[in-house]
Amino acid sequence: DIVMTQSPDSLAVSLGERATINCKSSQSVLYSSDNKNYLAWYQQKPGQPPKLLIYWASTRESGVPDRFSGSGSGTDFTLTISSLQAEDVAVYYCQQFFSTRTFGQGTKVEIK
Amino acid sequence: QVQLVESGGGLVKPGGSLRLSCAASGFTFSDHYMSWIRQAPGKGLEWISFISDSGTSIFYAASVKGRFTISRDNAKNSLYLQMNSLRAEDAAVYYCARENITSDYWGQGTLVTVSS
Repeated sequence: DIVMTQSPDSLAVSLGERATINCKSSQSVLYSSDNKNYLAWYQQKPGQPPKLLIYWASTRESGVPDRFSGSGSGTDFTLTISSLQAEDVAVYYCQQFFSTRTFGQGTKVEIK
Repeated sequence: QVQLVESGGGLVKPGGSLRLSCAASGFTFSDHYMSWIRQAPGKGLEWISFISDSGTSIFYAASVKGRFTISRDNAKNSLYLQMNSLRAEDAAVYYCARENITSDYWGQGTLVTVSS
């Protein structure tokens, strides 16, 4: 199974500042035949199901604000919130869909 | 709009069984793979199973293989999860999710509690 490891486990960022979350997979999730990274990011607020933010490592889901961006390839990925808003307080998960599905352990984002 | 509504959760004793259902609407159910994903209280997300659009291809996580069975009824736009030999560590909110590239829409979840 592919193991996903996120860092940090939590972070506190001031409103309007940048938040960066890292995700590392135990093996590459880059599929050579289509040159796509099978990596997604989700946001989960308390009492709600996860919401898909980004797939193919960097493609924003429809309706997701452009302050959310994803980058990386192979085994190392990053989710960046360029200017943190109050409504972005949540737990964020990376997920690989290269081989069935596995999730990172989650990163809790709070306001400093 | 896409809607997924889970049901069937509840309190069950260790070793017992439970069948979860997920009613889908707002999209062509038979065109999509579907998943079950769970979340233990205060913990992260764990994918446990998915089933192909036709139901002929099925995958399970090691933690549930041999105990849980996923199935679907495309005529009823419904997804199911039969859970047998339940353990304390199976206690969680169980979500069904539509697969479209990956898990793009999720239901609100149904809570399963395993306790004597």
